[in-house]
Amino acid sequence: NAGVTQTPKFRVLKTGQSMTLLCAQDMNHEYMYWYRQDPGMGLRLIHYSVGEGTTAKGEVPDGYNVSRLKKQNFLLGLESAAPSQTSVYFCASKHPGQSSYEQYFGPGTRLTVT
Amino acid sequence: QQPVQSPQAVILREGEDAVINCSSSKALYSVHWYRQKHGEAPVFLMILLKGGEQKGHDKISASFNEKKQQSSLYLTASQLSYSGTYFCGTESRGSSASKIIFGSGTRLSIRP
Repeated sequence: NAGVTQTPKFRVLKTGQSMTLLCAQDMNHEYMYWYRQDPGMGLRLIHYSVGEGTTAKGEVPDGYNVSRLKKQNFLLGLESAAPSQTSVYFCASKHPGQSSYEQYFGPGTRLTVT
Repeated sequence: QQPVQSPQAVILREGEDAVINCSSSKALYSVHWYRQKHGEAPVFLMILLKGGEQKGHDKISASFNEKKQQSSLYLTASQLSYSGTYFCGTESRGSSASKIIFGSGTRLSIRP
């Protein structure tokens, strides 16, 4: 099992450009999450999904959109990138069951917006 | 709202003990602890559910005081491999779908 994978690993964008980050998991997890990590801020939840076709906002959803068309994939989109979106983005997945299971994290995507 | 972790950073010599605290303003259902090495993804350590339980993993243990909405992580006889940033994540009662909110982290450095 590959676990949770993220594509791409690194990306540099210019302000105003758009891009999509792909998260894939092969553990048949229902729940998937997108976090961003900035120095001194910890992990902040952007959006999450409780199953195929469903998404919900987290702590810092502005400027991002997500889609969960397939159970194994969770896409994070930036329609018009801004320098404030420079960050490391982590995807995670989790088995359903209130509080009983750990989150499995992907390796991260380092995004720089110039 | 993010849980508050303290201290923000701690430096230990190998073999010393450390305590990392995590507190929330919300009623909690569970607390999760993760460790992250520089440049890597966070790795799960343990989950504590409501009920004031205490868990242990090797020389790392944790407690959860549901009434005080606090959790503490105890690292005993620290090893070089314990270095990294520790995050607590909290699930609040009434929040939907296992939404876990993480604190800003505690950076732990171990010196030989």
